[in-house]
Amino acid sequence: GEEVAQTPKHLVRGEGQKAKLYCAPIKGHSYVFWYQQVLKNEFKFLISFQNENVFDETGMPKERFSAKCLPNSPCSLEIQATKLEDSAVYFCASSLRDGRNTIYFGEGSWLTVV
Amino acid sequence: GDSVTQMEGPVTLSEEAFLTINCTYTATGYPSLFWYVQYPGEGLQLLLKATKADDKGSNKGFEATYRKETTSFHLEKGSVQVSDSAVYFCALTHIAGGYQKVTFGIGTKLQVIP
Repeated sequence: GEEVAQTPKHLVRGEGQKAKLYCAPIKGHSYVFWYQQVLKNEFKFLISFQNENVFDETGMPKERFSAKCLPNSPCSLEIQATKLEDSAVYFCASSLRDGRNTIYFGEGSWLTVV
Repeated sequence: GDSVTQMEGPVTLSEEAFLTINCTYTATGYPSLFWYVQYPGEGLQLLLKATKADDKGSNKGFEATYRKETTSFHLEKGSVQVSDSAVYFCALTHIAGGYQKVTFGIGTKLQVIP
């Protein structure tokens, strides 16, 4: 597609429940990024992929967060046993292989943990 | 590491006023610079970009020039409208260790009053 598509747009989970978010990057883009936007607009980098390979996961809270980008499937970000502080907007983005190309963002998935 | 500094705001202007939102950065090498805009309740949209020194990005009346000597990428608009009310993020992308990352500023909230 011509835009980064994220689903669901809104998700509400009780504390301790699992949350799973999906992202379809722009067709032809081989880099995928996940960012978490928390209070006061701060963006936190979570993880990036080059195709299906994890490229950089330095931002991932590994004990509860996991992510995948499998061939012919949307990428996913999964949070096991959600906590209140996981409430945030999760943005997926994609770009072409050349690092100077623009990173395009999806509309975001609003996760609320209650 | 890379960093982006911008004023937090909020910046409140009357309609048709001149807008400047300052952005300065630190990065090694030659990053690409971007301004993204986030309207209330929506995702990130690319506003404009510049990929090398002295490039000027422009879109919807907004402009920013990549100034390597001052490491700046200030956003300007000659006459703002109420519909420009949003949060504006300065960002850079940079190849580090062979892969691409985005570094965001904290975002500047703009309020335009009629």
